[in-house]
Amino acid sequence: EIVLTQSPGTLSLSPGERATLSCRASQSVTSSFFAWYQQKPGQAPRLLIYGASSRATGVPDRFSGSGSGTDFTLTISSLEPEDFAVYYCQQYGYSVLTFGGGTKVEI
Amino acid sequence: QVQLLQSGAEVKRPGASVKVSCKASGYTFNDYYIHWVRQAPGQGLEYMGWINPNSGYTEFVQKFQGRVTLTRDTSISTAYMELTGVRSDDTAVYYCARHGYTWNLPFWGQGSLVTVSS
Repeated sequence: EIVLTQSPGTLSLSPGERATLSCRASQSVTSSFFAWYQQKPGQAPRLLIYGASSRATGVPDRFSGSGSGTDFTLTISSLEPEDFAVYYCQQYGYSVLTFGGGTKVEI
Repeated sequence: QVQLLQSGAEVKRPGASVKVSCKASGYTFNDYYIHWVRQAPGQGLEYMGWINPNSGYTEFVQKFQGRVTLTRDTSISTAYMELTGVRSDDTAVYYCARHGYTWNLPFWGQGSLVTVSS
């Protein structure tokens, strides 16, 4: 099983600031099978980025994904109030998905 | 539009079994895998496994092998997740989610809270 480690655990920022979230895999993953999700309290996760860098339908362009191999990054260029949430990375390998532990972006 | 409607909250005694349903609409049920993910209170997302509704083929994370059964009823476009021998640490919100084109999860159910308590 491929393990995903997200850092930092918590990111304390202000609206308008740039957020950079990291996800590191225990072994190389296929970029096509790498995704990012946003989750707000009491809600199901929402797909933000798939294929490491493609935005899902309706996702604002302030969200961008990059990376390959074992290191991936989610960047929020300028935080809006509604962006304060928990973010998870996810990959597919060895016939199953795995999720990272999450990064909380707080005000 | 794609919708996944899950069954309601359940309270179970330790050692019991629980079965959560996930009714799909807005697309051809057989065409997309259904995945199951759980989230304990205040914790992160934990992936459990998936089912191919067309064939019934399943895959699980090793942790859940032998305790989780994934099934489907294609006549009513519904997938099921059954967990046996529940323990207190199985208390969680259980989500079903529909497969995307490249092993991601673009559509999610609303979640089903399972509470295990004596």
